[in-house]
Amino acid sequence: DQQVKQNSPSLSVQEGRISILNCDYTNSMFDYFLWYKKYPAEGPTFLISISSIKDKNEDGRFTVFLNKSAKHLSLHIVPSQPGDSAVYFCAASAPGNQFYFGTGTSLTVIP
Amino acid sequence: KAGVTQTPRYLIKTRGQQVTLSCSPISGHRSVSWYQQTPGQGLQFLFEYFSETQRNKGNFPGRFSGRQFSNSRSEMNVSTLELGDSALYLCASSEGHGISYGYTFGSGTRLTVV
Repeated sequence: DQQVKQNSPSLSVQEGRISILNCDYTNSMFDYFLWYKKYPAEGPTFLISISSIKDKNEDGRFTVFLNKSAKHLSLHIVPSQPGDSAVYFCAASAPGNQFYFGTGTSLTVIP
Repeated sequence: KAGVTQTPRYLIKTRGQQVTLSCSPISGHRSVSWYQQTPGQGLQFLFEYFSETQRNKGNFPGRFSGRQFSNSRSEMNVSTLELGDSALYLCASSEGHGISYGYTFGSGTRLTVV
């Protein structure tokens, strides 16, 4: 039972444009969300997080938006750079519980 | 400081065998979590250890087990390997137990069961 879903397995974007990666979840108890980036042959690295008390968190070129009523979060990367090409995982957690990860979206930024 | 170290990086085993994977967390980190990554299922949680105690367990059969030593190093064991166990196994360490602590992942162990 996939509680966190990333319905787009892949995404291609031109360098300099905006990348939008989407994530949906089913468990209304989730209160903390993260995005991880993963390069081939490396473990995932933490990118940005958001608590359910917020609807937006920004860190440089990366912004995460949370829509609790829709159980949807998105990661915006502006402007996109070739080095952003990686697999992006979203993850969610309820209090005291482990993280549930999505299946990942492979982002390709075309120079 | 050194990151999370997982050994071995690659492993090929035969169906029915057992395997042990090792994870050395970042110095000072007391929590170690294990994940299985497969193309269709993404990252799935196996278990978390904190101070040598299993704190959380995912929905995996009993063939998957783990332990944590007093130096926080952790091992994961899979017995009676099945072809479907072929995956990338990742461990992540954090200073404490709970989501308020950041997780740092290792590069993983690629297990192939033939």
